[in-house]
Amino acid sequence: GIQVEQSPPDLILQEGANSTLRCNFSDSVNNLQWFHQNPWGQLINLFYIPSGTKQNGRLSATTVATERYSLLYISSSQTTDSGVYFCAVGRETSGSRLTFGEGTQLTVNP
Amino acid sequence: EAQVTQNPRYLITVTGKKLTVTCSQNMNHEYMSWYRQDPGLGLRQIYYSMNVEVTDKGDVPEGYKVSRKEKRNFPLILESPSPNQTSLYFCASSTRVDVAYEQYFGPGTRLTVT
Repeated sequence: GIQVEQSPPDLILQEGANSTLRCNFSDSVNNLQWFHQNPWGQLINLFYIPSGTKQNGRLSATTVATERYSLLYISSSQTTDSGVYFCAVGRETSGSRLTFGEGTQLTVNP
Repeated sequence: EAQVTQNPRYLITVTGKKLTVTCSQNMNHEYMSWYRQDPGLGLRQIYYSMNVEVTDKGDVPEGYKVSRKEKRNFPLILESPSPNQTSLYFCASSTRVDVAYEQYFGPGTRLTVT
């Protein structure tokens, strides 16, 4: 099956800093989503981005499908950004099943 | 508000006592699925459903049952729970089944089996 690798596994920032999270995947995909799992365990949809670039406030994401990677940018980080960020991919041949990466644990200190 | 809801959110039960975790979506989505999340193993799909009365196994279906009698509901049934089913469970839904489309996740159900 498709492999999804996220880096870095852990990231510690001071409030106000910027960061880039990376997601590499091993095969072509039709779906790529970024999620934020908050301290209460909820999975929050950040972006649906199988290709191209999107922005939502301080967050933006870029997927280069031909090179099989996606980047999540967090600018001016806040303590509420803390949590685990997951990249998940789906392929047409697997229906709508998502394969998740192992996540990046982000800690933003005040 | 478009959403996926799950109940209960938290449950502590004992080995062998049948339980059902409900999942409901109000977006008229065709596709629904269940995942479990475990430390070190990530999120893995348990079962999925392409439409009413159409269900199939995911990666880790053992010990679980599902049904899809209505489009909006997709309950997860544990007929005889065991401690290795202690996990965080997520229900998800999506509007399309023919292509890999954006999925929406419920808030999660934290299950402990003693």
